Amino acid sequence: NAGVTQTPKFRVLKTGQSMTLLCAQDMNHEYMYWYRQDPGMGLRLIHYSVGEGTTAKGEVPDGYNVSRLKKQNFLLGLESAAPSQTSVYFCASRKGDRAYDNQPQHFGDGTRLSIL
Amino acid sequence: AQTVTQSQPEMSVQEAETVTLSCTYDTSESDYYLFWYKQPPSRQMILVIRQEAYKQQNATENRFSVNFQKAAKSFSLKISDSQLGDAAMYFCAYSSGANSKLTFGKGITLSVRP
Repeated sequence: NAGVTQTPKFRVLKTGQSMTLLCAQDMNHEYMYWYRQDPGMGLRLIHYSVGEGTTAKGEVPDGYNVSRLKKQNFLLGLESAAPSQTSVYFCASRKGDRAYDNQPQHFGDGTRLSIL
Repeated sequence: AQTVTQSQPEMSVQEAETVTLSCTYDTSESDYYLFWYKQPPSRQMILVIRQEAYKQQNATENRFSVNFQKAAKSFSLKISDSQLGDAAMYFCAYSSGANSKLTFGKGITLSVRP
């Protein structure tokens, strides 16, 4: 049971470098989300998608871009990494039917990203 | 905008005892969902319990139960017969609307004393 898979699990970048975090889900979920977790801040929504080809901004979108070219994948990009983007990043997914509104989001295991 | 407040950053409980974790939220919605997630050191986000706002009955899952006070906008988690494996960070979260975005509290670190 793969569920939500995030790659990579750890990464160290230098300031100004770019990278893409991949989230893949095998549950045929319509909704996908990217969160970041910082000490003392809980999880905050970066971007989300309600279906293939659609994306929308969350609470803290600056410095990130996303793409949802395939239903099962949701990519998070950092074009020019900054130390303030050092964080743990979580991807989550959920079925989109309103009948499932009471269902929880399924989370990946997170990616720890350090930017020097 | 909705907000979720967990005012206690840390709590400690003796093994086999009962502990209650507090959470309050602010919303103008009438239909919404509340969740408690557990995050152990492994970093996984594990659903503990959920509550639909339209249900008056408090949710229970084995040793975990909630005290949902809709008028007071309070959603506390009670852990009975605490076990060493309950030691983790606990997040309260709120969701509503078609996009079902989650708004999280800042979390509380629970330690369990043997």
